[in-house]
Amino acid sequence: DQQVKQNSPSLSVQEGRISILNCDYTNSMFDYFLWYKKYPAEGPTFLISISSIKDKNEDGRFTVFLNKSAKHLSLHIVPSQPGDSAVYFCAARVEYSGAGSYQLTFGKGTKLSVIP
Amino acid sequence: NAGVMQNPRHLVRRRGQEARLRCSPMKGHSHVYWYRQLPEEGLKFMVYLQKENIIDESGMPKERFSAEFPKEGPSILRIQQVVRGDSAAYFCASSARGIVTGNTIYFGEGSWLTVV
Repeated sequence: DQQVKQNSPSLSVQEGRISILNCDYTNSMFDYFLWYKKYPAEGPTFLISISSIKDKNEDGRFTVFLNKSAKHLSLHIVPSQPGDSAVYFCAARVEYSGAGSYQLTFGKGTKLSVIP
Repeated sequence: NAGVMQNPRHLVRRRGQEARLRCSPMKGHSHVYWYRQLPEEGLKFMVYLQKENIIDESGMPKERFSAEFPKEGPSILRIQQVVRGDSAAYFCASSARGIVTGNTIYFGEGSWLTVV
């Protein structure tokens, strides 16, 4: 049962344009969402996160939007740069209690290619 | 200022052999997590440990897999009698507390196990 879904395995974008990566979830108990970036043969590195009490969080070129009623979030990268080419994972955490506080549920990832 | 250190980075084992993966958490971190990434999949939680204690091993296969985090030394993920399906990337992460937010948990670069 895939609780966090990234339905696009890959995405190609021209340098300078906007990249939009999407993520859907099914567990209504998720209250905190994260995006990780991963290069080949490396570990995931944290990019940006959002709490369920917000609908938007921005950090430089990266913005995450959360639509709680639709159980959907998206990561916007503007402008996209060739160095952004990587696999992006969406992850979610259940309510801040017990196992929820430490266990992340990941999507399968979307491979972003930014074309110069 | 070393991050989460994992070794070996790459390990090849024949079916039936044992695999041992080691993880040294970041300095000052006493909470360790192991995640597994099968090919074309997202990361999946396996186990959460504190020094000398297994807190949650709900994601570990019931047989052949074990984990420890001794008082001294690194955390060890041990896989006995490996099978081809164990071939995956194993990521260790650490945090100072057992509460995960984006910038409080750090992942290592992973150990790639190949079973031949």
